[in-house]
Amino acid sequence: QSVLTQPPSASGTPGQRVTISCSGSSSNIGSNTVNWYQQLPGTAPKLLIHRNNQRPSGVPDRFSGSKSGTSASLAISGLQSEDEADYYCAAWDDSLNAHVVFGGGTKLTVL
Amino acid sequence: QVQLVESGGGVVQPGRSLSLSCAASGFSFSNYAMYWVRQAPGKGLEWVAIISYDGSDKYYADSVRGRFTISRDNSKNTLYMQMNSLRREDTAVYYCAREVVTAMGSWLDPWGQGTLVTVSS
Repeated sequence: QSVLTQPPSASGTPGQRVTISCSGSSSNIGSNTVNWYQQLPGTAPKLLIHRNNQRPSGVPDRFSGSKSGTSASLAISGLQSEDEADYYCAAWDDSLNAHVVFGGGTKLTVL
Repeated sequence: QVQLVESGGGVVQPGRSLSLSCAASGFSFSNYAMYWVRQAPGKGLEWVAIISYDGSDKYYADSVRGRFTISRDNSKNTLYMQMNSLRREDTAVYYCAREVVTAMGSWLDPWGQGTLVTVSS
């Protein structure tokens, strides 16, 4: 059972906008920034969004992140078939002996 | 370019040991804390261990504390994980990742390609 809560699945058709939610608590999302990772099938996770809404170089601006209170969201606009992947949110946790905590992951299907 | 390459995975019997390595290149390895993160088959991500930039501080997930040991050799730009008393539930792909720290937050980037550890009799 993951510390951060994500829906297990999401879907959309090409061109659509989809959002993935991530819910936490005051010790993690509520007090630290949120990062998002994309894991394409059979590959390692790759940083997609850092510090709530910052895109690393090379990440298309179709991907955006936001945070409010103890929740965060990842939005993907103009959905493309190559966006089909697992998406994980993560944040540092200030509680005892917890460092980075992850969401359980959301499998995005492009219909 | 910045790169992490894991090695050392394989099939091991329950109760036995295995050692993983992660070779870093393209950045000043000795300036960064490093993580091991694992992913069981069909499951999500779980941090396993963390080591500070100079190796002086180490932290472990409850699930591996007392059995796994993280270490690093900054002269060789290499991160290690010694895994003892392996259990079937340790079966996973093990990733190493660099922690990037800024005043506004931290994140893991890049990640290695992963190495599969299978604990089975």
